[in-house]
Amino acid sequence: EVQLEESGGGSIHRGGSLRLSCAASGFTFRNYWMHWVRQGPGKGLVWVARINTDGSGTNYADAVKGRFTISRDNAKNTLYLQMDNLRGEDTAMYYCAREDFYSGNSLDPWGQGTLVTVSS
Amino acid sequence: SYVLTQPPSVSVSPGQTASITCSGDKLGNKYVYWYQQKPGQSPLLVIYEDRKRPSGIPERFSGSNSGNTATLTISGTQAMDEADYSCQTWDNITPVIFGGGTKLTVL
Repeated sequence: EVQLEESGGGSIHRGGSLRLSCAASGFTFRNYWMHWVRQGPGKGLVWVARINTDGSGTNYADAVKGRFTISRDNAKNTLYLQMDNLRGEDTAMYYCAREDFYSGNSLDPWGQGTLVTVSS
Repeated sequence: SYVLTQPPSVSVSPGQTASITCSGDKLGNKYVYWYQQKPGQSPLLVIYEDRKRPSGIPERFSGSNSGNTATLTISGTQAMDEADYSCQTWDNITPVIFGGGTKLTVL
């Protein structure tokens, strides 16, 4: 079964750092681009970042560019999101998702999410 | 940057057809994806490439995309279909664009 499991969320003060992890199983992780998507409380989905198969190519939303870093360890089947200089508006549930070329490059599946709360 | 617009809410009676729209400039020239999200759960892909259903998604879910509007249609809506639905497309500048989401109420 294809599974993604996020971890690393928690409560952090403004200006602090946090590293999220996403453990993948049930598929050949190194063959897939991966994404982070977040959802603020009561808000819609917002794309955060993506990374290509070998980690050499990344893209970021303007809101996180220069503060967040997406990376991956294909030997450990794990995706990461390093979040620095956190702001209140970064408070959200963070999901990792696989970009599935078998279903038209959709985001499928998604993990269960990890909650990040940034306080002042 | 590219913007997708959805109505905040749609209501439908059980057994009736629900239509949820997603609008964007020349959206018909792009592929659209739809995700269902129930309270406390992560998003689930229900339609990809405008009209294709992943395995396991009921036939009552269908999609279309033309002009500036994509539509998710749920025929014979059931109580279990009550959820938030978000559309998504790809863009050259910000790779992944989501609509704001639509809350479907079955009453």
